[in-house]
Amino acid sequence: GQQLNQSPQSMFIQEGEDVSMNCTSSSIFNTWLWYKQDPGEGPVLLIALYKAGELTSNGRLTAQFGITRKDSFLNISASIPSDVGIYFCAGQGDYKLSFGAGTTVTVRA
Amino acid sequence: DAGVIQSPRHEVTEMGQEVTLRCKPISGHDYLFWYRQTMMRGLELLIYFNNNVPIDDSGMPEDRFSAKMPNASFSTLKIQPSEPRDSAVYFCASSQIYGEQFFGPGTRLTVL
Repeated sequence: GQQLNQSPQSMFIQEGEDVSMNCTSSSIFNTWLWYKQDPGEGPVLLIALYKAGELTSNGRLTAQFGITRKDSFLNISASIPSDVGIYFCAGQGDYKLSFGAGTTVTVRA
Repeated sequence: DAGVIQSPRHEVTEMGQEVTLRCKPISGHDYLFWYRQTMMRGLELLIYFNNNVPIDDSGMPEDRFSAKMPNASFSTLKIQPSEPRDSAVYFCASSQIYGEQFFGPGTRLTVL
């Protein structure tokens, strides 16, 4: 699949801080998705974006579909301990998803 | 509603043995996907089905891998013969509409 560049690779954050991560691609996607994976579990869908420029929120999560259709970002506001995990971006052209390498988030209490 | 169900959750086998992984998609979902996750390669799509028909198997690593979907509620991924490099977590996901794919808990496969 296409190569997605996700950054940062990992981050340590203080509880209550805001978190930001992003994904870029050399290819255009029709859809951007953000997933969270906890240890020993499958990825859980957080947010799906279907339109360039779209800004969507889900609780403390906010994600945007870049206007060029080649990038997306995810923000987590006021982080809490249960935000720990690996966050993946995924771009979709046809029905196939191409995943980024993930951002590992660790929260300092 | 039950999510995607996978079995077994863990499988340990010896090189050369046949391995069969099972998946039950979410009821009403027309698309089913098999992924593999490793530290080195991340999440990779192996194959996907639409209405029980394989649409794209370009991600299947080699002929040792095969997948079937005999009906709308069941799919298998088979590896025969298995090799140590097949050790990974295998995920099944299903989708009703374009975009939102829902993943199962995965099967952790270890080939000794």
